Amino acid sequence: DAGVIQSPRHEVTEMGQEVTLRCKPISGHNSLFWYRQTMMRGLELLIYFNNNVPIDDSGMPEDRFSAKMPNASFSTLKIQPSEPRDSAVYFCASSGDRAWWEPQHFGDGTRLSIL
Amino acid sequence: QQQVKQSPQSLIVQKGGISIINCAYENTAFDYFPWYQQFPGKGPALLIAIRPDVSEKKEGRFTISFNKSAKQFSLHIMDSQPGDSATYFCAANRAQKLVFGQGTRLTINP
Repeated sequence: DAGVIQSPRHEVTEMGQEVTLRCKPISGHNSLFWYRQTMMRGLELLIYFNNNVPIDDSGMPEDRFSAKMPNASFSTLKIQPSEPRDSAVYFCASSGDRAWWEPQHFGDGTRLSIL
Repeated sequence: QQQVKQSPQSLIVQKGGISIINCAYENTAFDYFPWYQQFPGKGPALLIAIRPDVSEKKEGRFTISFNKSAKQFSLHIMDSQPGDSATYFCAANRAQKLVFGQGTRLTINP
C-alpha cells in the first residue's frame, strides 16, 4: 500500500516567494496533520483536518501560513511570503478512525530552505 | 501543561546492550502514549504505543514501561543492534493531537 506522499521532497527558494507544499494521505484515512520539524522546536503540530474540515489550526505560526484540504486525497500548506525562519522539514501525516486510537502515518517530508 | 519532556538528548550504547529513553508529562488528560522512530531523511514511524491503564507493553525487543502516578514512561530496547541507530520520539495524545518530546539520538556501536 502506498504511504503518505509529499511533494516536493526538497524546495529551495528566496525570501518573499510563495511556497506550496503538497500531501496525499493514505487512502481511507480521514484525518490529516501538518507538522514542522526544526532542531530548536522539535516536531510541532501546525494544523489538522478531519473529514477535510480544519479542526485545530492553533499551531499555525502566523497569517503567512495557510492550509487547505479540498478533498479526501489532497492537502496543501502554503507560505506567503516566505521568510528564512520558515526553513524546516514539513511533514504530513494521516490516520484513520476505525479504532479508538489509530497511529499517525507520516510522509517523508519536504525539506524547505528559504534563502 | 502540553509539554512532554524527553531524556537523554543523545545516547550511545554498545551492540547487545540495553537502550533506555525516558519521558515525563504533566497533563493527565493525555490518553495514549506512542513512541516513534525516525531515520535520516524519513518521516517518524510508529514503533510501539501504550494506554495509561497498562503498566508495561512488550513487542519483540521493544518495551514501554508506564508509571501513571509518576507521569513517566520509558522505552527499553533490549539487545540493541546497529540497525536501531535512529532518533526516537516519545509522544502523548489528546483529542487526536500528538505532543512530541524533543527526541533522543541513539547510536549503537558495533
